[in-house]
Amino acid sequence: ETGVTQSPTHLIKTRGQQVTLRCSSQSGHNTVSWYQQALGQGPQFIFQYYREEENGRGNFPPRFSGLQFPNYSSELNVNALELDDSALYLCASRPGLAGLDTQYFGPGTRLTVL
Amino acid sequence: AQKITQTQPGMFVQEKEAVTLDCTYDTSDPSYGLFWYKQPSSGEMIFLIYQGSYDQQNATEGRYSLNFQKARKSANLVISASQLGDSAMYFCAMREGTGTASKLTFGTGTRLQVTL
Repeated sequence: ETGVTQSPTHLIKTRGQQVTLRCSSQSGHNTVSWYQQALGQGPQFIFQYYREEENGRGNFPPRFSGLQFPNYSSELNVNALELDDSALYLCASRPGLAGLDTQYFGPGTRLTVL
Repeated sequence: AQKITQTQPGMFVQEKEAVTLDCTYDTSDPSYGLFWYKQPSSGEMIFLIYQGSYDQQNATEGRYSLNFQKARKSANLVISASQLGDSAMYFCAMREGTGTASKLTFGTGTRLQVTL
């Protein structure tokens, strides 16, 4: 186990609703990244947080937003849900920004949008 | 252009045999890292092995080794002595540069099935 936890494990929402997903990073890790993995695809980078600030973003619209808290846990918020938002959402943490250190992933939250 | 290419959608291997999963990458950054992750049906991405672009030797971690051919831009994963528990999706990923906003870019994955 990596020490990265995510909640909830599964979630069902309807189109147009809003959702919040949560991630607790591994102890000592101050950098958290979020990824979206559609069925049959590799994960796609959404954004990254370092010391409570967003410092990198992938090709996702502004309705995908996030937060990082002083304890380095993080939230992913998605507004105005669309059917294509159905995916596995993965959170990953690593010790810092310097170097090419490894990211450790949580178990993911599986979101279904009906 | 795809940054990470995994050309094998699915692979079969017999238990106790070795298997190679292919990965090629594309980058102009001299500093990058290559990763392999295993994803069982449960969904969690499990880190297997890492190779830095400046590393002189191929990385090894137990039964996993990375065949790094820099000139060919390939980073193939070799699993020796396959076990039934190795059946899963395997993803190759790359991080370019260091420091801020250095994200992982993943390939489309290879599904490995280990048979008796």
